[in-house]
Amino acid sequence: DAGVIQSPRHEVTEMGQEVTLRCKPISGHNSLFWYRQTMMRGLELLIYFNNNVPIDDSGMPEDRFSAKMPNASFSTLKIQPSEPRDSAVYFCASSEGQGRNTEAFFGQGTRLTVV
Amino acid sequence: AQSVTQPDIHITVSEGASLELRCNYSYGATPYLFWYVQSPGQGLQLLLKYFSGDTLVQGIKGFEAEFKRSQSSFNLRKPSVHWSDAAEYFCAVGAPGSSYKLIFGSGTRLLVRP
Repeated sequence: DAGVIQSPRHEVTEMGQEVTLRCKPISGHNSLFWYRQTMMRGLELLIYFNNNVPIDDSGMPEDRFSAKMPNASFSTLKIQPSEPRDSAVYFCASSEGQGRNTEAFFGQGTRLTVV
Repeated sequence: AQSVTQPDIHITVSEGASLELRCNYSYGATPYLFWYVQSPGQGLQLLLKYFSGDTLVQGIKGFEAEFKRSQSSFNLRKPSVHWSDAAEYFCAVGAPGSSYKLIFGSGTRLLVRP
């Protein structure tokens, strides 16, 4: 398996524009996570899906952020409108399921810069 | 609330020297504990994890970690560091029952002198 695939790797956009980040989890994994990494706040869990259903979105910072998982092999994280403070590295991760014996596999991340 | 503290922002060791990265957690019971490594421009890779049982956990790449309940610590060790170990290391804690919600420490950047 190619692992968790994220696109794009880098995104530069102007303030106010819509940004869509994409993630393809590992085949057979039924849990998917979106994380954000910044210098100030470190790694933060934004949202967690299980079997394509959002289970916990308490980490989503504002209504400008939304995430979807239309099927088991694809998820998006959308920011509309984007702001400079959204600049960060966004990671997608997937795992086989809940519980103690799961391991989250991370993608390489999308580095977002909002100017 | 759960929290994780990695007191060392940077650590520099010579190649071949031993390594210990510190991690302290705050949680009311025994949490699930993890160490991840992040190489530049890459995602995070799991080194090892502790759920229960033997408090000394072996991981990949020659790393090990020891859970010490009395000290609320889960320090990562390696007897002999290689130049390829230079990376950022993250300790994380998960609550049993909701282990998906990992709380990460702020990370320790390891530099290796030739």
